[in-house]
Amino acid sequence: GNSVTQMEGPVTLSEEAFLTINCTYTATGYPSLFWYVQYPGEGLQLLLKATKADDKGSNKGFEATYRKETTSFHLEKGSVQVSDSAVYFCALINGGTALIFGKGTTLSVSS
Amino acid sequence: GAVVSQHPSWVICKSGTSVKIECRSLDFQATTMFWYRQFPKQSLMLMATSNEGSKATYEQGVEKDKFLINHASLTLSTLTVTSAHPEDSSFYICSPKLAGEETQYFGPGTRLLVL
Repeated sequence: GNSVTQMEGPVTLSEEAFLTINCTYTATGYPSLFWYVQYPGEGLQLLLKATKADDKGSNKGFEATYRKETTSFHLEKGSVQVSDSAVYFCALINGGTALIFGKGTTLSVSS
Repeated sequence: GAVVSQHPSWVICKSGTSVKIECRSLDFQATTMFWYRQFPKQSLMLMATSNEGSKATYEQGVEKDKFLINHASLTLSTLTVTSAHPEDSSFYICSPKLAGEETQYFGPGTRLLVL
């Protein structure tokens, strides 16, 4: 079946540090891959997505590259800010109609 | 971007009572509505999918008579937890989607605590 595995949190970083949140997936065929972010008290928001192998999604300084050979979609940011503190969810859609999510990774950035 | 509201944002109820959660898409028409639930430190688990004017399709293990979903209009869907029990305590999130699009939007969630 389809599933998403992302690294356990929480991730605690100082401002301007480099961020990586690992995400791997299991799926047949060619899923579309997503990163969603949930800020405190708000609903999930789409951060970025990639729909085919080697595509790179990017938004707000965050990037993730669809790697079919390693079935991965790791989220990266070169310099995090306090305002990036949130919960990040990796997700996929694979021929079905609903997103399948990882467990979420909490990021806490301190100044 | 798309705005989705959920009401109430949190609710505490006694065991055996029913709770209705409303989800509204404020600036777009949602042809499909997904309902998820999330336990602490767990992933969002899909409960059911509903299309406007049709009966909802429930995921395996989700009791359709316990979690009643109504999607009578393109801007409103409701989830009613009937005869709630403490094990139903969770975070419920609605997710509307436009026809033909992959992108799902999300409500802010409703935290339910059943005593």
